[in-house]
Amino acid sequence: QKEVEQDPGPLSVPEGAIVSLNCTYSNSAFQYFMWYRQYSRKGPELLMYTYSSGNKEDGRFTAQVDKSSKYISLFIRDSQPSDSATYLCAMSFGGYQKVTFGIGTKLQVIP
Amino acid sequence: DAGITQSPRHKVTETGTPVTLRCHQTENHRYMYWYRQDPGHGLRLIHYSYGVKDTDKGEVSDGYSVSRSKTEDFLLTLESATSSQTSVYFCAISDPVDRGFSPLHFGNGTRLTVT
Repeated sequence: QKEVEQDPGPLSVPEGAIVSLNCTYSNSAFQYFMWYRQYSRKGPELLMYTYSSGNKEDGRFTAQVDKSSKYISLFIRDSQPSDSATYLCAMSFGGYQKVTFGIGTKLQVIP
Repeated sequence: DAGITQSPRHKVTETGTPVTLRCHQTENHRYMYWYRQDPGHGLRLIHYSYGVKDTDKGEVSDGYSVSRSKTEDFLLTLESATSSQTSVYFCAISDPVDRGFSPLHFGNGTRLTVT
């Protein structure tokens, strides 16, 4: 079993839809949870990160962490074609400790 | 791109030849990392550096070596390239401050093909 599981998709949604992207993990010691967006032939770009449980909102993006279920989510409201990319979840124990990545979910937003 | 430049952006090389990839940062971050990204595996850590001349292995370090002689430069060398090292290589940087955590920031990658 991988430490971090993420459905690779692809996920296709119509423009304006609410998108839900998810990851599950097995190591309860993870403390920091990150979401990256990666466009084709580009490097991953940090969207947001959270510490421990709870929600964090940034514009149309909301990250949720449920440590009791070992489940994290990224919600995208009013999705746009420019949101079409691969979304990677990532987790860390903190500090300089190793970051573990999911394999990424490919999202396509149809105009 | 958080002031990270990777070179070359693309490279094709033959099996058995040495190859060096370069990462240059202008952020003065202490930590630098090399990852590879492959379909079905995601991003995997090859080596990382926590200061000049201070490096350590990641989870897929076999066949790779690194060097860091200056804060801004981190080199990844494939000592004798193999076809299994065909991949996209990403450099990342971080500078732990807030509770000792700093998220990674990535360059745009080097696409390496070993024939």
